Parts: sequence; structure tokens; C-alpha cells
Amino acid sequence: QQQVKQSPQSLIVQKGGISIINCAYENTAFDYFPWYQQFPGKGPALLIAIRPDVSEKKEGRFTISFNKSAKQFSLHIMDSQPGDSATYFCAASINSGYALNFGKGTSLLVTP
Amino acid sequence: ETGVTQTPRHLVMGMTNKKSLKCEQHLGHNAMYWYKQSAKKPLELMFVYNFKEQTENNSVPSRFSPECPNSSHLFLHLHTLQPEDSALYLCASSQVSTGELFFGEGSRLTVL
Repeated sequence: QQQVKQSPQSLIVQKGGISIINCAYENTAFDYFPWYQQFPGKGPALLIAIRPDVSEKKEGRFTISFNKSAKQFSLHIMDSQPGDSATYFCAASINSGYALNFGKGTSLLVTP
Repeated sequence: ETGVTQTPRHLVMGMTNKKSLKCEQHLGHNAMYWYKQSAKKPLELMFVYNFKEQTENNSVPSRFSPECPNSSHLFLHLHTLQPEDSALYLCASSQVSTGELFFGEGSRLTVL
């Protein structure tokens, strides 16, 4: 049973546009929600993470929005750049512990 | 360079071969993991070692055998694999208290 559902599977955005990736979860015990970014030939790397005590976290052009009642969280990439083209994974776990449950990933392409 | 090094980067093996994947972390972390990454599927957690003790085994077939001789090294021994085991195998490490995973670049395994 997939614990974290991610959409869309792929996304094409023009340079300067906003990229939005959504994730939903079922387990209300989850309290740590990271996003990982993976470039071809590389392993995933932590991009940004949020805990449910806040509804939004922003780091540069990247923002996580969190809706606890809906059990959803999303990644917004503002002013998307071609260098942002990568695969993005959302994940969730309990107590920022090691059992991270990953979504299937979203392949983002930012066109010039 | 993430501080997590995996070798070999590419491996082709027959179904009757025995091979091993190696992972080394230079970050002083106390937990190490094996993940399997297949196309269109979520990252699958295979094994977790916390302070060299295996703490999680997600119903992984016995043809995969992990070994963690110390907190810096992790191996995945492969024996009598199936073609469906072809995937990218990712090693990661973390400080258990923080939860952030640092991934290696992965070992691309092809089983003929």
C-alpha cells in the first residue's frame, strides 16, 4: 500500500513560471515531510522539509505548503529555471525517523 | 560530492552470479540504508542499520543479504538474482536524530 501519493507524474513549465507538485498521505502519525531533488545520474538530495506545526516554509524560490486537515502538502517552485529540471520526490515519516515513505516522483522539465 | 560513495556504479550479472555492492560514508553518521529505485515506482526501503545493528528489513528476498561491518561501511551481497531485480540501488546515511538522508549516486544493476 502506497503511503504517499504524488502527482503529477511529469510536468513541463516554461522558464519563469511556477511549478507545483502535490502529495497526499493517509497516516496521520506522519510528522516530517521532506522533498528530495534528483538529477540524472545522481542520488536524491534533500531540498526542503516541513513539520506540521507550520503551514508554509519558504527557502529561496522553493516553498512547501502544508494542509494538515486535508493531509496534503505541495512544493511550489517560483520563477522556474532550466536548471530546476529534475525529478522531485515527496516523502513522509514519523518523528523524522529513518522510515521515509517516498512518493513515485515527478519529472519536471523547465523549457527555456 | 555528498559524502556517500557507492561502488561499482554499474554492474551486469547473470542470474547465477554472486556479486556485492559497496557503500562508504564519510559523514560520521550513525545510520545507513539500502534503497531500491525502479522506474515509475517509489523509492523502496530495503534495509536499515542503526549503530551497525539491522533495525529494519522490509520483506526483502533472501537473495539480497546486507552486511554492516562498522558505521561507515555497508554492503549488499547479491546471489541468484532475477531479471526483475534490475534497478538502481541507492545507499544513504543519516544521523538518526535529524532524519535527513544523504544518498550516494547509486549502483545501476542489470540482471541478465
